[in-house]
Amino acid sequence: NAGVTQTPKFQVLKTGQSMTLQCAQDMNHEYMSWYRQDPGMGLRLIHYSVGAGITDQGEVPNGYNVSRSTTEDFPLRLLSAAPSQTSVYFCASKTQGWTGELFFGEGSRLTVL
Amino acid sequence: KNEVEQSPQNLTAQEGEFITINCSYSVGISALHWLQQHPGGGIVSLFMLSSGKKKHGRLIATINIQEKHSSLHITASHPRDSAVYICAVRSYNTDKLIFGTGTRLQVFP
Repeated sequence: NAGVTQTPKFQVLKTGQSMTLQCAQDMNHEYMSWYRQDPGMGLRLIHYSVGAGITDQGEVPNGYNVSRSTTEDFPLRLLSAAPSQTSVYFCASKTQGWTGELFFGEGSRLTVL
Repeated sequence: KNEVEQSPQNLTAQEGEFITINCSYSVGISALHWLQQHPGGGIVSLFMLSSGKKKHGRLIATINIQEKHSSLHITASHPRDSAVYICAVRSYNTDKLIFGTGTRLQVFP
């Protein structure tokens, strides 16, 4: 049972480059989300999705795009990376409703030079 | 002031000690989560609470909805408990998760 799988685990980009962080879950969860974790701050929500074809912005969406074409996959795209996007990124999923337990991926450490 | 405050920020203990980590919040919530993050590792859900108390092995989580406060207790602490413990609340109004900044625990043998 893989749970939530994130790739890549590490990535170094130059300013202006684009990349996609991949997230896949095999638990048939409707809800998927992306967070960034920065030193001294709590996890902050970037984008989330409550089902295939439905996405919405979180707290810090600028500079990031998402899509949800299937229940399993929720990729996060950086179209033009900036040094301010240097962070650790976590994908998480849960069943719908407030009772769902959260499942996190192992994180992706991104450095933008 | 953050909507979710954890204390202490850092905690060191000797193996075997009883540990308490506190979480206070200022918003109405539908649930509260306790999460564990090992150094360089992913994040694991420990508990989800909406009332009362839950226990898994040596871990106990309590919540007082009226006082907007939750505690995570670790009995007979062990060096493998060394991690960052994160409190997160699900806002009743927005249904969004709000995270605390975490408590870094180090348990020495």
